[in-house]
Amino acid sequence: DAGVIQSPRHEVTEMGQEVTLRCKPISGHDYLFWYRQTMMRGLELLIYFNNNVPIDDSGMPEDRFSAKMPNASFSTLKIQPSEPRDSAVYFCASSLRTATLYEQYFGPGTRLTVT
Amino acid sequence: GEDVEQSLFLSVREGDSSVINCTYTDSSSTYLYWYKQEPGAGLQLLTYIFSNMDMKQDQRLTVLLNKKDKHLSLRIADTQTGDSAIYFCAERLTGGFKTIFGAGTRLFVKA
Repeated sequence: DAGVIQSPRHEVTEMGQEVTLRCKPISGHDYLFWYRQTMMRGLELLIYFNNNVPIDDSGMPEDRFSAKMPNASFSTLKIQPSEPRDSAVYFCASSLRTATLYEQYFGPGTRLTVT
Repeated sequence: GEDVEQSLFLSVREGDSSVINCTYTDSSSTYLYWYKQEPGAGLQLLTYIFSNMDMKQDQRLTVLLNKKDKHLSLRIADTQTGDSAIYFCAERLTGGFKTIFGAGTRLFVKA
């Protein structure tokens, strides 16, 4: 398996623009997580899905952020409008409920810079 | 609330042992993990320990768990420059599928 795939790897955009980050989880995994990593806040869980259904979105910072999972192999995280404080590395991770360790497999991340 | 705390930086000399410490809050956590993040990459599971264990050894890695103090540590013996990375402590909360990560400890290994 290719692992968790994220695109783009780098995104530079201007304040006010819409940004869409994409994730393809490992085939067969039934949990998908979106995280944000910054120097100030470390790794924050934004939202997670089980079988394409959002379970906990309490980490989503505000209404400008939205996430969807239209099918088992694709998820998006959208920021509209983007602000400079959204600059961070965004990670997607997937997991399998029946796996013994409940290990999360992370993608390589998308580095977002909002100017 | 749920929280995992760890120091932000650790610097050691090559060949020495590294000890990274972590404290967590959920006393009923069943799994505790150490993830490693190399530059430009995502996190990857390094090792883990079940809550009914006190110690787990895996080659150069030793994990110690003190449930009374809710303290977890990772010891890396004979630290190499390739061990330079960010190490995240994490706990899986009971009753759900949520894993709480610490902020990460950046390990610098000096040659």
